[in-house]
Amino acid sequence: ETGVTQTPRHLVMGMTNKKSLKCEQHLGHNAMYWYKQSAKKPLELMFVYNFKEQTENNSVPSRFSPECPNSSHLFLHLHTLQPEDSALYLCASSHVPGTDPYEQYFGPGTRLTVT
Amino acid sequence: DAKTTQPTSMDCAEGRAANLPCNHSTISGNEYVYWYRQIHSQGPQYIIHGLKNNETNEMASLIITEDRKSSTLILPHATLRDTAVYYCIVITGGTSYGKLTFGQGTILTVHP
Repeated sequence: ETGVTQTPRHLVMGMTNKKSLKCEQHLGHNAMYWYKQSAKKPLELMFVYNFKEQTENNSVPSRFSPECPNSSHLFLHLHTLQPEDSALYLCASSHVPGTDPYEQYFGPGTRLTVT
Repeated sequence: DAKTTQPTSMDCAEGRAANLPCNHSTISGNEYVYWYRQIHSQGPQYIIHGLKNNETNEMASLIITEDRKSSTLILPHATLRDTAVYYCIVITGGTSYGKLTFGQGTILTVHP
């Protein structure tokens, strides 16, 4: 247990569906992250939030829409995805950059399959 | 951020020390070396980090050469549960966004 939970753990969705991934951290952190891990590829950073404000969008397509209502919760809203978006989506949290933002705690991930 | 080079895979016998090397010959003075690992089908796990001095915690030791161009992560008594992909990441401290860039890492297999 890392103190970061993600739901659902597995998700199968069609290309016309809309779904959301949820992440919650219980560590008192103020920075949260979404990463994508496709098969045979390294982890890719998607979004960074500091104190609920988005500070990084790593050229992610608009069919991925993040939301951070407070420092403990992070969502990734999905719509009209493509099969190549099938991947493991990982959430992480850390203290605010300026202290130690690189000691990040990851959740177990959501395994997404787009059909 | 400096680029890192790691062997693709390594083997280690259970109970022996696992020494995982990382080359970062273009590292600059304000860049830290971080190590993470990812056990199959789980999220990455922070292990240890350092700047210049050697570091040790309950999980591992980090040895950084004097010129800082390479480092070695040491798992002193490897167990089967240490089988994972190990990532060496070099980043600039003090930047705003906490960006971690993962490479391919080293697949460590610990065998009985």
